[in-house]
Amino acid sequence: QKEVEQDPGPLSVPEGAIVSLNCTYSNSAFQYFMWYRQYSRKGPELLMYTYSSGNKEDGRFTAQVDKSSKYISLFIRDSQPSDSATYLCAPRPTGFQKLVFGTGTRLLVSP
Amino acid sequence: DARVTQTPRHKVTEMGQEVTMRCQPILGHNTVFWYRQTMMQGLELLAYFRNRAPLDDSGMPKDRFSAEMPDATLATLKIQPSEPRDSAVYFCASGPYDRGGNTIYFGEGSWLTVV
Repeated sequence: QKEVEQDPGPLSVPEGAIVSLNCTYSNSAFQYFMWYRQYSRKGPELLMYTYSSGNKEDGRFTAQVDKSSKYISLFIRDSQPSDSATYLCAPRPTGFQKLVFGTGTRLLVSP
Repeated sequence: DARVTQTPRHKVTEMGQEVTMRCQPILGHNTVFWYRQTMMQGLELLAYFRNRAPLDDSGMPKDRFSAEMPDATLATLKIQPSEPRDSAVYFCASGPYDRGGNTIYFGEGSWLTVV
């Protein structure tokens, strides 16, 4: 079993839809939960992160962590075609910078 | 706008040839990572350095891969001899040492094809 599992998709939605992207993980030591966005033929870029359990909102994006079930979610409201990309979750423990990435979920938002 | 710089951006080489990929981390970042990305495996950590010292290279095939940091502004990843299964995108990333939520920043990648 991989440390981080993510549905590869693709997930296709119409513009304006609410998108839910999810990851599960197995390592209880993970404390920081990063979401990276990767456009085609580009490097991943940090979208947002949360610490421990709870929610964090940044504009149209909301990250949610449930440590009891080891479940990570990223919600995108009012999705736009420019959101079309691959979204990778990447958790890490405190004091340890090595990120373990999920395989990524490819999102396609059609106009 | 600080960024991680990688060269070459694209490389096509024949099996058995040596391949060297270079990375210039963001100035002031003392932690450098090499990741490999394929469709099947996603992003895999090959090696990482702190203050130029290797901390973990357990993800790297030791018989053909080597990673070094000759100085603080240059990291290299070498494959010798290259094989078709090494075809992938190789990303370098850098970050400041941090026990908290700071993260790492990726370059644009080196797209390697071994034929």
